[in-house]
Amino acid sequence: GQQLNQSPQSMFIQEGEDVSMNCTSSSIFNTWLWYKQDPGEGPVLLIALYKAGELTSNGRLTAQFGITRKDSFLNISASIPSDVGIYFCAGPFDQTGANNLFFGTGTRLTVIP
Amino acid sequence: EAQVTQNPRYLITVTGKKLTVTCSQNMNHEYMSWYRQDPGLGLRQIYYSMNVEVTDKGDVPEGYKVSRKEKRNFPLILESPSPNQTSLYFCASSTRTGPRGYYGYTFGSGTRLTVV
Repeated sequence: GQQLNQSPQSMFIQEGEDVSMNCTSSSIFNTWLWYKQDPGEGPVLLIALYKAGELTSNGRLTAQFGITRKDSFLNISASIPSDVGIYFCAGPFDQTGANNLFFGTGTRLTVIP
Repeated sequence: EAQVTQNPRYLITVTGKKLTVTCSQNMNHEYMSWYRQDPGLGLRQIYYSMNVEVTDKGDVPEGYKVSRKEKRNFPLILESPSPNQTSLYFCASSTRTGPRGYYGYTFGSGTRLTVV
């Protein structure tokens, strides 16, 4: 199956710092999604990207669809304690639209007040 | 409120005792899916369904069964649970909207299963 590798696996940062994480794939994706999972909850969709080079923001979050279509990046500016959680990238396994989403291994973010 | 509801939230069972985790969504979504989450492995898809009576295997289907008799419900069945199925399970649903497609799943709150 397709492999989605996220890095870093975990991050410890001070409140107010900016955060960058990325996701790489062994295959080309036509859609990239970024999810956040709060402790004890299910993942929630943050940002969806649909074409190579696309840059999309959602508040303090900015995500980019890599030009090669094999990677994506998520940046968080001026982190706050509620940013704590696990961030997942995801993409559809079947490009014809079976909604078979394939998830990365996640980046666990800890924000130190 | 639009949501995906899973039950139970926590379950401890013994090896070999059949169990069912229920999942229901109230958004009239066509697509539903089950994932399991394990440390270091992220979310892995077990089964998915594109509509009523249409189901297919995901990446890790062994030991699981599903059914989709109604659009809103997608139960996960473990006929003979084993300890390696101890995990955190998520049900999710979505619909495709717009010309570009929208693959965003809405997830339930999870079911933590322990098989001893």
